[in-house]
Amino acid sequence: NAGVTQTPKFRVLKTGQSMTLLCAQDMNHEYMYWYRQDPGMGLRLIHYSVGEGTTAKGEVPDGYNVSRLKKQNFLLGLESAAPSQTSVYFCASSLGTRRYTGELFFGEGSRLTVL
Amino acid sequence: AQSVTQLDSQVPVFEEAPVELRCNYSSSVSVYLFWYVQYPNQGLQLLLKYLSGSTLVKGINGFEAEFNKSQTSFHLRKPSVHISDTAEYFCAVSTISGGYNKLIFGAGTRLAVHP
Repeated sequence: NAGVTQTPKFRVLKTGQSMTLLCAQDMNHEYMYWYRQDPGMGLRLIHYSVGEGTTAKGEVPDGYNVSRLKKQNFLLGLESAAPSQTSVYFCASSLGTRRYTGELFFGEGSRLTVL
Repeated sequence: AQSVTQLDSQVPVFEEAPVELRCNYSSSVSVYLFWYVQYPNQGLQLLLKYLSGSTLVKGINGFEAEFNKSQTSFHLRKPSVHISDTAEYFCAVSTISGGYNKLIFGAGTRLAVHP
């Protein structure tokens, strides 16, 4: 049982390049999230999805786009990377509101460096 | 708006000593409260949670936390720590906002257990 899997785990980009982070979950969870983690700032929500075909903005959405074409996958895209997007990115998933337990299941993270 | 404040960014402690990691939250509505732990180079995992009922909550690895509504606090405690408890700990608060369970994280407390 893999849980939440993120690819790639490491990536170095040059300013202006684009890339996509892929998140896959095998728990049939309704909700999926993308967070970024920066030193001293905890985790900040970038975008989230409450179901297949739906996405919404979180706290820090600028410079990112997402898509959820399949229930098990949630993609995070950077169209034109900037050094301020250097961070560790975490994907998470959870049950939906009606069966909410509060527990998010996290992937192991993707470390992105933008030069 | 909800917010979470973790009062200590770093807590050094000797092995077998007790520890308390402090967390205060602000919210105008009922909340769910959580502690997550992040071991080096890993994602976050749930340590314990308060949804309702008894204000003293027990979690994994011997940790416990007490919900204090009057002081809006949810401090994490362990009577005797081990080297393996060295990790970063995140307090989080969740409310339902726009039909979605929004989880807000604190900045984290780095627990360093020394022999």
